[in-house]
Amino acid sequence: DQQVKQNSPSLSVQEGRISILNCDYTNSMFDYFLWYKKYPAEGPTFLISISSIKDKNEDGRFTVFLNKSAKHLSLHIVPSQPGDSAVYFCAATGANNLFFGTGTRLTVIP
Amino acid sequence: GAVVSQHPSWVICKSGTSVKIECRSLDFQATTMFWYRQFPKQSLMLMATSNEGSKATYEQGVEKDKFLINHASLTLSTLTVTSAHPEDSSFYICSATQEGGSGETQYFGPGTRLLVL
Repeated sequence: DQQVKQNSPSLSVQEGRISILNCDYTNSMFDYFLWYKKYPAEGPTFLISISSIKDKNEDGRFTVFLNKSAKHLSLHIVPSQPGDSAVYFCAATGANNLFFGTGTRLTVIP
Repeated sequence: GAVVSQHPSWVICKSGTSVKIECRSLDFQATTMFWYRQFPKQSLMLMATSNEGSKATYEQGVEKDKFLINHASLTLSTLTVTSAHPEDSSFYICSATQEGGSGETQYFGPGTRLLVL
């Protein structure tokens, strides 16, 4: 079964508003979480990460929140820009492997 | 839910040997499988796209004679690193899209860590 889940396959947001992408995981041994952004015909590009010892990590317009008790993380993009339109994957790792969600397509409407 | 497995998860080999990595879709038929290599800063480089029954499409800069990809069935793709060298040491990840799906949802394998001595 999928250990990392992104239950929303798509999200549309108006330019300038906040985009919130969600991710849930099942394995409590995961201790490091990452978000990737993917454009068509390219590999996923690393965006931001968070360690399990933190509950928030911010980098410019991107903030990742981690709720360990709920096994949930989210990526906030504010303000959203049309160039943010892409597929976003969350991933988690605990030892040697990297487990990915299935992705959420974000469309930012100008 | 759809699951993709990779085997082996870890492999250590001597320089000059060949290593085969398997990628399997366990409960669905995969129209297309992708092979990635992880580089510093955690970004994944797309190496090749593999469709069942046809030759893989390699990205620019990836040597097709060194990284042999076979996609013999709708549930299995293999990546063979031929005559591996220490610079080939990396984390290799496959992903698959489901037949009949949108094509955007990708199911990733857990990765294979290759260390070439």
